[in-house]
Amino acid sequence: TAGITQAPTSQILAAGRSMTLRCTQDMRHNAMYWYRQDLGLGLRLIHYSNTAGTTGKGEVPDGYSVSRANTDDFPLTLASAVPSQTSVYFCASSPVAGAEDEQFFGPGTRLTVL
Amino acid sequence: GQNIDQPTEMTATEGAIVQINCTYQTSGFNGLFWYQQHAGEAPTFLSYNVLDGLEEKGRFSSFLSRSKGYSYLLLKELQMKDSASYLCAVINSNYQLIWGAGTKLIIKP
Repeated sequence: TAGITQAPTSQILAAGRSMTLRCTQDMRHNAMYWYRQDLGLGLRLIHYSNTAGTTGKGEVPDGYSVSRANTDDFPLTLASAVPSQTSVYFCASSPVAGAEDEQFFGPGTRLTVL
Repeated sequence: GQNIDQPTEMTATEGAIVQINCTYQTSGFNGLFWYQQHAGEAPTFLSYNVLDGLEEKGRFSSFLSRSKGYSYLLLKELQMKDSASYLCAVINSNYQLIWGAGTKLIIKP
């Protein structure tokens, strides 16, 4: 079982360019999440989706957008990248919506914006 | 504000016991997680506490005191593979998950 996958593994992006980070899970989990992880800081929630067709804003949503057209996929788009978006991005999922549920994380995408 | 405090880094010896503390100040409390994250990898679930007391799972145990806003993760019989960061996360009254910055544990032979 693949679990949760992310692509690309890493990327260097010029400031002002757009990019979509892909996330796919095969566990039929209802809830999915996007986090960024920066040195010295805890994971910060960017956007989440409690079920297919719905999305919500997390702690740091500015500059990012998401969609949830189906259960498996939850892409994260940076419309016009800025250097402060340099980070490691993790996608996660949980069987049901609700913070009490264990989250399963993808391997991460390391993004550098120059 | 909401705050999760963990030591930045700890060092322990292979075969020994180590306790990683986590204190929290959040708007309400609905549970606490511990996750393990090896360098360059994804976090993986270790434990979940919602009631006071100790939860034991093999070599790892997690303790919670809600009145003190305090938890610890206890790792026994340390192995080199336990070298990782350990993340504490609290569910607040709005059912938001608030993450600590993590404790990097270094195991020496």
